[in-house]
This record gives sequence, structure tokens and C-alpha cells, in this order.
Amino acid sequence: SQQGEEDPQALSIQEGENATMNCSYKTSINNLQWYRQNSGRGLVHLILIRSNEREKHSGRLRVTLDTSKKSSSLLITASRAADTASYFCATWKGYSTLTFGKGTMLLVSP
Amino acid sequence: DAGITQSPRHKVTETGTPVTLRCHQTENHRYMYWYRQDPGHGLRLIHYSYGVKDTDKGEVSDGYSVSRSKTEDFLLTLESATSSQTSVYFCAITPGGPGDPGNTIYFGEGSWLTVV
Repeated sequence: SQQGEEDPQALSIQEGENATMNCSYKTSINNLQWYRQNSGRGLVHLILIRSNEREKHSGRLRVTLDTSKKSSSLLITASRAADTASYFCATWKGYSTLTFGKGTMLLVSP
Repeated sequence: DAGITQSPRHKVTETGTPVTLRCHQTENHRYMYWYRQDPGHGLRLIHYSYGVKDTDKGEVSDGYSVSRSKTEDFLLTLESATSSQTSVYFCAITPGGPGDPGNTIYFGEGSWLTVV
């Protein structure tokens, strides 16, 4: 069963706009990670936020974590067509497995 | 790139035939995973390995077996392929213990399997 669930399932925006995706999870975590998957490719790690962090930045990416609400958000600022991809949140389940949500499909139109 | 090679990348096979997918890593990472990805289900863990000859089941392990005789290779076998096993299969690796707060997971490029 999925530990994380992304919302929305799909998002369509214009270049230059910001894109926000949300992730909710069920159990306590050590960290939460975000991945990107381009069509026909494997997943690529974007950013990791630890449970004692509330916000983290990496380039145009901003991730927040609210452990009291068991939720995280990924903000991509000034989106580009190349940001078109599916985005997944992931958390470790127990000590051995990383579980993923079903993802948010982002379409950025020129 | 994380030094992960999956083979074959694409395969069409008939129902009832055995199929083996191979994952090869050059990173000497201890943990290796097999996931499948299907529309509407996201990524689901099939099996994982925490060392040579040490494997365990994931959430969708029925119909699959794995083997790891060397650190660098992790094989996924479908003993008798069924149409429900048509999917994209991803191998992944992670260094050290997966419970470590700083660990991320690195994916291969995927193997597209069609069972007809």
C-alpha cells in the first residue's frame, strides 16, 4: 500500500508559472524525498527533507514538510517546458523499503 | 548516472514462459530493489536484497523470484509469465542502511516487459 499520496494527480501550467504539488503520508517518517520521472525514463532523486526540517531549497525547488499534518509540498518556481514530468514523493517504510505515491503529472506548456 | 544497467530493456514474451531480468550495478551498494510501475498503481516493490544471498519480499512478490549471487547483480525471474505481469520493471540501489536519514535511492532506466 502507498505510504505517500500526491495531489493533484495532474497539473497543467504555462512556462514561467509556479507549480505546487502536495504529498500526504500516513506514518511517522525519518525523511521524505521527492523524485522526478521523465516519460520513458527511470526516477531521478530531486531533494530530501529530514523530519526535523521544515523547509529546504534546491535551485528552483522548494520543499516544505509539516510533520503534524503528515504532509509535504514541492514548489517549482518559474517552470520551464523541461520540467514536464511526473513527480513522486517517497518515504521509508520501516527499515527496508522505500514506498512511493502514485505521482503528479506536470505539463508545462511553452 | 548511478551505474545501474538493466537488461533486457524491452522484451515481448508469451504467457507461460520464464523470463529473467537482470540488474547490474557498479557502485558496490549493499541494497538492491526491484519495483514494477503500472498506471494507477505507481511504483510497487516486488523484492529487495540486503546482501549477497539475502533477499526479502515486497508488497507484490507473488509470481516472482529473485537471486543475488554477487554484490553487483540482482536477478528477477518470472517463473511462468502471465499477462498481469506486463509492466515496466525498475531496479534500484541504495548505499548503506535504508533507514539512515540521508539515504536516497537510485534507479535504473527500466525494462519494458510485455506478456502476450
